[in-house]
Amino acid sequence: NAGVTQTPKFQVLKTGQSMTLQCAQDMNHEYMSWYRQDPGMGLRLIHYSVGAGITDQGEVPNGYNVSRSTTEDFPLRLLSAAPSQTSVYFCASRGQDEKLFFGSGTQLSVL
Amino acid sequence: AQSVTQLGSHVSVSEGALVLLRCNYSSSVPPYLFWYVQYPNQGLQLLLKYTTGATLVKGINGFEAEFKKSETSFHLTKPSAHMSDAAEYFCAVSDGWQGGKLIFGQGTELSVKP
Repeated sequence: NAGVTQTPKFQVLKTGQSMTLQCAQDMNHEYMSWYRQDPGMGLRLIHYSVGAGITDQGEVPNGYNVSRSTTEDFPLRLLSAAPSQTSVYFCASRGQDEKLFFGSGTQLSVL
Repeated sequence: AQSVTQLGSHVSVSEGALVLLRCNYSSSVPPYLFWYVQYPNQGLQLLLKYTTGATLVKGINGFEAEFKKSETSFHLTKPSAHMSDAAEYFCAVSDGWQGGKLIFGQGTELSVKP
């Protein structure tokens, strides 16, 4: 099993550009989520999904969109990148034993 | 809505000393509680979790935590710190069902002095 695969690992954007962070898991988990990690602020939940076709907002959803067309994939879209979105992004899925599996992270810089 | 507060963004202990990392939570329903550890330049790993049952839970690497409902706390302890314990530790809460969203605290960076 590959677990949670997140791409890309690094990305530099200019203000106003859009992009999609990809996340895929092969563990058949219903629950998937996106977090951003900033110094001193821990991990903040952006969006989450409890199954295909179902998504909901987390703590900091503004500027981000998600969709869940399959159980495996949960992409995160930045609509118009802003410097405030410079962060490290983590995708995570959760199994029935409540254990959270994290991707390796995407370091995003918005200039 | 759930929330988590970790008291102290930085904790420093000597090797061999007790480690105590504090976590208080707020939840309107019986919570599930977790501690995760993040080593430099790595993702998060689960240390331990409380869902139901015994309130003292043991995790990996000698860590344990006790769920105290009356104090809304889930403090992480280890009797004797090792240099390899230096990392950032995150407490997290979910609202106790399969679909519940997981909310993290701000993190506590643990330093271990020789």
